Amino acid sequence: DADVTQTPRNRITKTGKRIMLECSQTKGHDRMYWYRQDPGLGLRLIYYSFDVKDINKGEISDGYSVSRQAQAKFSLSLESAIPNQTALYFCATSDSGRDEQFFGPGTRLTVL
Amino acid sequence: GENVEQHPSTLSVQEGDSAVIKCTYSDSASNYFPWYKQELGKRPQLIIDIRSNVGEKKDQRIAVTLNKTAKHFSLHITETQPEDSAVYFCAAKTGSNYKLTFGKGTLLTVNP
Repeated sequence: DADVTQTPRNRITKTGKRIMLECSQTKGHDRMYWYRQDPGLGLRLIYYSFDVKDINKGEISDGYSVSRQAQAKFSLSLESAIPNQTALYFCATSDSGRDEQFFGPGTRLTVL
Repeated sequence: GENVEQHPSTLSVQEGDSAVIKCTYSDSASNYFPWYKQELGKRPQLIIDIRSNVGEKKDQRIAVTLNKTAKHFSLHITETQPEDSAVYFCAAKTGSNYKLTFGKGTLLTVNP
């Protein structure tokens, strides 16, 4: 079945380290998103991309960067991780012309 | 930008009772309102959605109502079952862009 996958699923790192979270999809969707989930705060948009050449900041982009390597791949980087970036990170995709977003399984990141 | 408020943050009901979760939005241009269910340790999944040209939509035991004048929409679950226990998120999308703004979530517990 077509799906959205994320690697790694869990990651523990130290303050100041560079971290990359990867997202791949076989749905053939052109739009991809990165969200952060914190308890009691819901899902907040970090970055989104409507095609390979289109990257846009979301509501909480500070401290993060992204790369859209191909239509099917969208990576999120933390250049210098800090403890308050400890969270559950979700990648999502959607098809142009349709509103439903499909989420990946999530990456639990802990920054010590 | 859009702001979505969701209430209550937690809701506990007895099996067989109904559950109602309410959301308000700020941008009158919003035109798409999905509801996502997130079971413990799982990814959010769309359960029902409604567009601004419709006042109500039903799918078996779940329904969503939209009041555009008051800028609020609600999720109704009837005959609740233990497997309905999860976190539910509402969201709103403004027509001028394709971003979803999420509420902070409601933890629904259905007691057997």
